Amino acid sequence: DTAVSQTPKYLVTQMGNDKSIKCEQNLGHDTMYWYKQDSKKFLKIMFSYNNKELIINETVPNRFSPKSPDKAHLNLHINSLELGDSAVYFCASSQSGLAKGNEQFFGPGTRLTVL
Amino acid sequence: GEDVEQSLFLSVREGDSSVINCTYTDSSSTYLYWYKQEPGAGLQLLTYIFSNMDMKQDQRLTVLLNKKDKHLSLRIADTQTGDSAIYFCAETDSNYQLIWGAGTKLIIKP
Repeated sequence: DTAVSQTPKYLVTQMGNDKSIKCEQNLGHDTMYWYKQDSKKFLKIMFSYNNKELIINETVPNRFSPKSPDKAHLNLHINSLELGDSAVYFCASSQSGLAKGNEQFFGPGTRLTVL
Repeated sequence: GEDVEQSLFLSVREGDSSVINCTYTDSSSTYLYWYKQEPGAGLQLLTYIFSNMDMKQDQRLTVLLNKKDKHLSLRIADTQTGDSAIYFCAETDSNYQLIWGAGTKLIIKP
């Protein structure tokens, strides 16, 4: 069974559109994350949710809005897509606390291409 | 702020050892991690080391930590073609979130 899953795997869309990426984890973890990996492979955290509550919100345009309907899901909605939003977006989850070294389990990534 | 630095590329011959280096700035980091990203795939935790350890060995992987110099390395013995990937070093900040390096692309020559 896939631990952290994301859909879709590939997303190609036009500038100005609104799109969503879904993430689900079946590990029973309390914390979920969204990362953006740019063309230089650098990973930057965007958001972190713990038990459906936002705990990290880095400097991300407010066109990006995470939604956590329950602690197993953290979806990413993006309004008015821009060319610079093209990247691979990774979802991750972890069991909060230090006992397990805060190991994060990652989804396979969603490659977003904005034309 | 916190920063993690790695070389962008490393090229080794198949069968040789690979040593990927990383430097970090946050001396309060509790855990330091190595993640592997294979082409077109997600990130996979390879290993991690607790900050009070100097070395951790796991089969072909050896992690060395020099806290004084804030230097972390990952040694892969007997490098195979399947080891071709990007290797990310990461540390935890004071909020226990991960701070990532830019990744080192390991290239295996036959």
